[in-house]
Amino acid sequence: DAGVTQSPTHLIKTRGQQVTLRCSPKSGHDTVSWYQQALGQGPQFIFQYYEEEERQRGNFPDRFSGHQFPNYSSELNVNALLLGDSALYLCASSSRPGNQHFGDGTRLSIL
Amino acid sequence: AQTVTQSQPEMSVQEAETVTLSCTYDTSENNYYLFWYKQPPSRQMILVIRQEAYKQQNATENRFSVNFQKAAKSFSLKISDSQLGDTAMYFCAFMKPNTGANSKLTFGKGITLSVRP
Repeated sequence: DAGVTQSPTHLIKTRGQQVTLRCSPKSGHDTVSWYQQALGQGPQFIFQYYEEEERQRGNFPDRFSGHQFPNYSSELNVNALLLGDSALYLCASSSRPGNQHFGDGTRLSIL
Repeated sequence: AQTVTQSQPEMSVQEAETVTLSCTYDTSENNYYLFWYKQPPSRQMILVIRQEAYKQQNATENRFSVNFQKAAKSFSLKISDSQLGDTAMYFCAFMKPNTGANSKLTFGKGITLSVRP
């Protein structure tokens, strides 16, 4: 039984570019949450998707957007990348109600 | 808004000894969940233990147990018989149950635990 899978593992971009990160939830899970974890910090909630809609959003600008597909997988898009967007991006999946299970994350580096 | 505070940035413990990690939180909610997550260098966030606020009994998972003090808004993690594999960052997290979709996790800054051989 595969857990939460994220791709790519590591990504390097330059300022101003756009990036798309992908997440496949654990089997049986229908809710996907995204978190940003800066180096040495705890994860910060970006948004959550359920039934292909954004259900909750944290304090992140509109440059951060997402999507959930009918198979429950999800994408996180970030436009106009800034140096401060460099972080580990974590995807977590869950069923309602249930514990959130995390993937290994995507390390995004902005040059 | 909820806040989670982990004031100890680092701790070290000898293998086979017991260590306690501290966490405090602030909320006006009466019903909520508290978690401890472990993040080894491999990056994956792993759930260690979960506590429901309405339960008076402290949660226990094998070598891991919590001391939940609701009135003091304190939630500490005790690791018994520490093992080298326990070396990781540990995060305390809060979740307010949502009537809709699953709610978000609010994390503390984490504590780096090193287990010495």
